[in-house]
Amino acid sequence: DAMVIQNPRYQVTQFGKPVTLSCSQTLNHNVMYWYQQKSSQAPKLLFHYYDKDFNNEADTPDNFQSRRPNTSFCFLDIRSPGLGDAAMYLCATSRTGPYEQYFGPGTRLTVT
Amino acid sequence: AQSVTQLGSHVSVSEGALVLLRCNYSSSVPPYLFWYVQYPNQGLQLLLKYTSAATLVKGINGFEAEFKKSETSFHLTKPSAHMSDAAEYFCAVTQTGANNLFFGTGTRLTVIP
Repeated sequence: DAMVIQNPRYQVTQFGKPVTLSCSQTLNHNVMYWYQQKSSQAPKLLFHYYDKDFNNEADTPDNFQSRRPNTSFCFLDIRSPGLGDAAMYLCATSRTGPYEQYFGPGTRLTVT
Repeated sequence: AQSVTQLGSHVSVSEGALVLLRCNYSSSVPPYLFWYVQYPNQGLQLLLKYTSAATLVKGINGFEAEFKKSETSFHLTKPSAHMSDAAEYFCAVTQTGANNLFFGTGTRLTVIP
């Protein structure tokens, strides 16, 4: 089945220690998104790629970076995680335009 | 600018009762509207979508929603709640030419046995 895969599902990192979350897709969608979701809140868009074109949300901290080496893969790098970065991180994909997004199962990040 | 407002952050219904989750949208152009469901520690799953075709949209798990332009609403309903419907529900909006979804704040549905 075509899907969005996120690894790992659970990640524990130390305060200030860089961490990378990964996302892959078999849907061949050209748009990929990263969201941050904190408890009992809506997902908050961090950035998205339209093909290789990177689009950063204005309020996304510089601490968050992303890479998309090819159509299938996208990475979220948190350079120096703080306690406030503990959250669920969701990857999603879509076709270009006003179409639905397909979400992965998420990575729950804990910062100790 | 686009946005959605979900009235009621928490809704409780008895098993077998009608489920009604409210969503009102704001959009200067014809909207595309979506309902997603999220179970604990999982991603969002698409329940249904409105893309300017039929105003009554049927989705998975027995859910449906009706687009009412005059009321700027897209409420989600299910005739008979099941215990497995307990989850968080998000309404979202986008428009032609956009790639982003704008989410509501979510409604947590509790089903009482």
